Amino acid sequence: DAGVTQSPTHLIKTRGQHVTLRCSPISGHKSVSWYQQVLGQGPQFIFQYYEKEERGRGNFPDRFSARQFPNYSSELNVNALLLGDSALYLCASSRNILRQGRADTQYFGPGTRLTVL
Amino acid sequence: DQQVKQNSPSLSVQEGRISILNCDYTNSMFDYFLWYKKYPAEGPTFLISISSIKDKNEDGRFTVFLNKSAKHLSLHIVPSQPGDSAVYFCAALYNQGGKLIFGQGTELSVKP
Repeated sequence: DAGVTQSPTHLIKTRGQHVTLRCSPISGHKSVSWYQQVLGQGPQFIFQYYEKEERGRGNFPDRFSARQFPNYSSELNVNALLLGDSALYLCASSRNILRQGRADTQYFGPGTRLTVL
Repeated sequence: DQQVKQNSPSLSVQEGRISILNCDYTNSMFDYFLWYKKYPAEGPTFLISISSIKDKNEDGRFTVFLNKSAKHLSLHIVPSQPGDSAVYFCAALYNQGGKLIFGQGTELSVKP
């Protein structure tokens, strides 16, 4: 079975531009979460989507938005890019919303490396 | 405001010895804790977890200890193997909205 896939692998943008990152969850998984990992730090939670609805949001500005499609794939959009948005963006999928015990079965993709110049 | 902290950026251990990775948290609302392992160019992979109602969970060479009064958890790897060399993240689950809060990570190097 395919794991969580993310595209593109790498991306270079300039300040002020917009970017869309894509994630395909494991088959049968209905929840997708997005994380930002800045160099030298741990992943930071951005969003969780379940059944196409936002179920959790981290402390990120409104420039960050996401959506989940009927096939449970997801897009993360970032507008008006800043240099500080340069990071590895991780997508993770799970069958259900993260709860005790269920968090064990959240699987991460390899990430998209975004560089903002 | 770093709610989950791993104060040791790196740890070097000899093969066969014990590796102890530490993690502190500040939020009493966390009720589930996990450890992840991450290799370069890969996403984090789940290693072991513990509920806040327990103080120990063991899985093969990996044991996680939780001290709720001290808001501290640790991961013990015995015996350590070169293949364990990776970055280890502790994470705490904030049940409201399914938020998983990660520490900064500790890079473990196991030398043959």
